[in-house]
Amino acid sequence: GAVVSQHPSRVICKSGTSVKIECRSLDFQATTMFWYRQFPKQSLMLMATSNEGSKATYEQGVEKDKFLINHASLTLSTLTVTSAHPEDSSFYICSAWTSGGADTQYFGPGTRLTVL
Amino acid sequence: QKEVEQDPGPLSVPEGAIVSLNCTYSNSAFQYFMWYRQYSRKGPELLMYTYSSGNKEDGRFTAQVDKSSKYISLFIRDSQPSDSATYLCAMSVAGGAQKLVFGQGTRLTINP
Repeated sequence: GAVVSQHPSRVICKSGTSVKIECRSLDFQATTMFWYRQFPKQSLMLMATSNEGSKATYEQGVEKDKFLINHASLTLSTLTVTSAHPEDSSFYICSAWTSGGADTQYFGPGTRLTVL
Repeated sequence: QKEVEQDPGPLSVPEGAIVSLNCTYSNSAFQYFMWYRQYSRKGPELLMYTYSSGNKEDGRFTAQVDKSSKYISLFIRDSQPSDSATYLCAMSVAGGAQKLVFGQGTRLTINP
């Protein structure tokens, strides 16, 4: 149980384009989902927290107009990187939490974004 | 000063050795402590989850929390080459859907 998937696993795009990353909880309903980014050989940094049906809460320094998060259902959250630039290239990881399960977050496999 | 400090390594040990991984932290409000394993280009996988101080054992893995010293450890017994990965400690102030603060991660290699 507690499987979280992400799609795509890898994406390459041109500078200035927008990219959407999906995060799905496959066998449970995720009340809350989190989005992290991870640079090479560095730890995960929380970008934002999203609750189903509510606006996301962004961490300090994260541009909410650049990283659009939508949590439209209890099994799906999306992160859209708008007008992507090379400095946005990173590994993006989502996690999901459910009030009915173990008291911890379950992570997706991550999405590698490369902006040319 | 980072809230959570973790030696990034790399750490290389022979197969069968006991591995000790550690994190220190500065925020005394942390109550929940976790260890995750992350293989290259994959998402973190939860290994151990501990509330407050004490020890917790699960198979070859033992997690220790010493809140008085703000120090947590993960021990791996009878280490295997398949244990080669990056190990991340993480902490939160409360349980539930709370913000996790991660250490930098320690890259571990078990040599056959």
